[in-house]
Amino acid sequence: GQNIDQPTEMTATEGAIVQINCTYQTSGFNGLFWYQQHAGEAPTFLSYNVLDGLEEKGRFSSFLSRSKGYSYLLLKELQMKDSASYLCAVETGGSYIPTFGRGTSLIVHP
Amino acid sequence: GAGVSQSPRYKVAKRGQDVALRCDPISGHVSLFWYQQALGQGPEFLTYFQNEAQLDKSGLPSDRFFAERPEGSVSTLKIQRTQQEDSAVYLCASSLEDNYGYTFGSGTRLTVV
Repeated sequence: GQNIDQPTEMTATEGAIVQINCTYQTSGFNGLFWYQQHAGEAPTFLSYNVLDGLEEKGRFSSFLSRSKGYSYLLLKELQMKDSASYLCAVETGGSYIPTFGRGTSLIVHP
Repeated sequence: GAGVSQSPRYKVAKRGQDVALRCDPISGHVSLFWYQQALGQGPEFLTYFQNEAQLDKSGLPSDRFFAERPEGSVSTLKIQRTQQEDSAVYLCASSLEDNYGYTFGSGTRLTVV
């Protein structure tokens, strides 16, 4: 079976840095996604990691360690609009179907 | 259109009623997924199409759920004899190919009363 674990909720201050962790135990691994989802809206793509290491994209960075079954999303210079749910999804097997974690609700306060 | 379009945006159904949810993927996208998202949870996989072929339906919770994509573009998710536990947001996502980035629609929020 697939098991993807991420914290339920995190809070942070505007302008700060926050790291959202995701651990996974899956049968097979092709890659790992991070999505952002504002309440009542569609998930939007943030990053996709296949190889170990850190990938930086503006204020957002994503890290992957395949051997440890671990990833994190790093958000810098937090803004109020970053308050959202952050979904970790692992792509497994030959059919490339993403399996999602329950999401981490991030609350950014002034 | 530029994105994945889902309709209706909201649907209220009486328990026992049949419903049909529509997904218009991005033109030319081969892969299409349906997910169910309960409040405060991540999306749960329902079914997957590659063109018109339904390659995986292992996530459909019961035989009351049925999905089709007859011409390899628009897809319909049908739920027969709706139950209260079917209340959720139903998300559709499409991608050009497998492992090529998935674009989600805004979803249909189904409430069964």
